[in-house]
Amino acid sequence: QQQVKQSPQSLIVQKGGISIINCAYENTAFDYFPWYQQFPGKGPALLIAIRPDVSEKKEGRFTISFNKSAKQFSLHIMDSQPGDSATYFCAANITGTASKLTFGTGTRLQVTL
Amino acid sequence: DTAVSQTPKYLVTQMGNDKSIKCEQNLGHDTMYWYKQDSKKFLKIMFSYNNKELIINETVPNRFSPKSPDKAHLNLHINSLELGDSAVYFCASSPPGLAGSEQYFGPGTRLTVT
Repeated sequence: QQQVKQSPQSLIVQKGGISIINCAYENTAFDYFPWYQQFPGKGPALLIAIRPDVSEKKEGRFTISFNKSAKQFSLHIMDSQPGDSATYFCAANITGTASKLTFGTGTRLQVTL
Repeated sequence: DTAVSQTPKYLVTQMGNDKSIKCEQNLGHDTMYWYKQDSKKFLKIMFSYNNKELIINETVPNRFSPKSPDKAHLNLHINSLELGDSAVYFCASSPPGLAGSEQYFGPGTRLTVT
């Protein structure tokens, strides 16, 4: 059972454009929603995260939008750059000692010149 | 000053062999994890330790045995390796307080079983 569904699977955006990746979750007990960025041959790196008490969080060119009633959240990358080309994973978990990240299936983003 | 390190980075071995992957974190975190990333890049939790105590054990074959000698180290031993074990294995750690929230990943170990 895929508890966090992510789309699209791949995305091509021109330099300067906006990249949008969407995720939907099923478990209403989730209380932490991070996004990870992974470059080839590297481990996932925490990019930005949000908790359900806010609807939006912005860090530089990266913004998470969160819709609790729809159980959806999305990552927006403004002014996309070739250096942003990577695989992006959304995730969700329930904060606590016995916690685990449930990942989406990943979106491969390519930013073209 | 690497935060989460893993050795080896690459591991090529034959079916039936036993191998170990080591992980160390110098972040002072209490909780450590092993994740498996398959060929389709799907990431799935395998184990989690908190202060050397096993707290998460997903439905992983018992050929996989994690060991945590102290809270800065979490090793993964795999017995009787199978072709399906080929994957990238990531170690991660998270700080106390917001346990399980901010997880920091190592560079991964690419295991190839032939």
